[in-house]
Amino acid sequence: DQQVKQNSPSLSVQEGRISILNCDYTNSMFDYFLWYKKYPAEGPTFLISISSIKDKNEDGRFTVFLNKSAKHLSLHIVPSQPGDSAVYFCAASASVTGGFKTIFGAGTRLFVKA
Amino acid sequence: NAGVTQTPKFRILKIGQSMTLQCTQDMNHNYMYWYRQDPGMGLKLIYYSVGAGITDKGEVPNGYNVSRSTTEDFPLRLELAAPSQTSVYFCASSLGDVTNYGYTFGSGTRLTVV
Repeated sequence: DQQVKQNSPSLSVQEGRISILNCDYTNSMFDYFLWYKKYPAEGPTFLISISSIKDKNEDGRFTVFLNKSAKHLSLHIVPSQPGDSAVYFCAASASVTGGFKTIFGAGTRLFVKA
Repeated sequence: NAGVTQTPKFRILKIGQSMTLQCTQDMNHNYMYWYRQDPGMGLKLIYYSVGAGITDKGEVPNGYNVSRSTTEDFPLRLELAAPSQTSVYFCASSLGDVTNYGYTFGSGTRLTVV
């Protein structure tokens, strides 16, 4: 039962253009949504998050959009740079006793071509 | 600032052998987690801890054990290694509020069971 789905295993974009990575979820109880970036042989690093009460959060070149009615979120990277080439994980968190429970998607590999 | 340190980076085990994956963090984070990532899959939570002396099961705890005797260390024990435990293991920590800062991950341990 995949509660968080990233249906595109990979995405290729030209440098300078927009990258749009998508994520769908099934559980309405999630409070926060996060995006992580992962380079080969490294652990994931936190990129940006959004609360379930918001529909947009922006940080520099990265913007996350949340559509609660569709249970869908997306990460926009503008403009895309070759250094953005990595695997991007979508994650969803729900409050549980003592903290949060976080479910990760399978990841989307982004290739930014120079 | 080392962050989250995992050792070893690579290990090959024979079926039935046991080993401990080490994880230590120097950020005074209360929360620590162990995830595994199988090819083409998202990260699955094995065990987590909300503080020294407190641990709890995640989604896929079978075949693993953990302990948390100090704030800094959160070792993961595999008792009878099986081929199904071939995976990349990530340790992570957080202050507790993952919503704005996410988790800090280690660089991972790639384990192969043959």
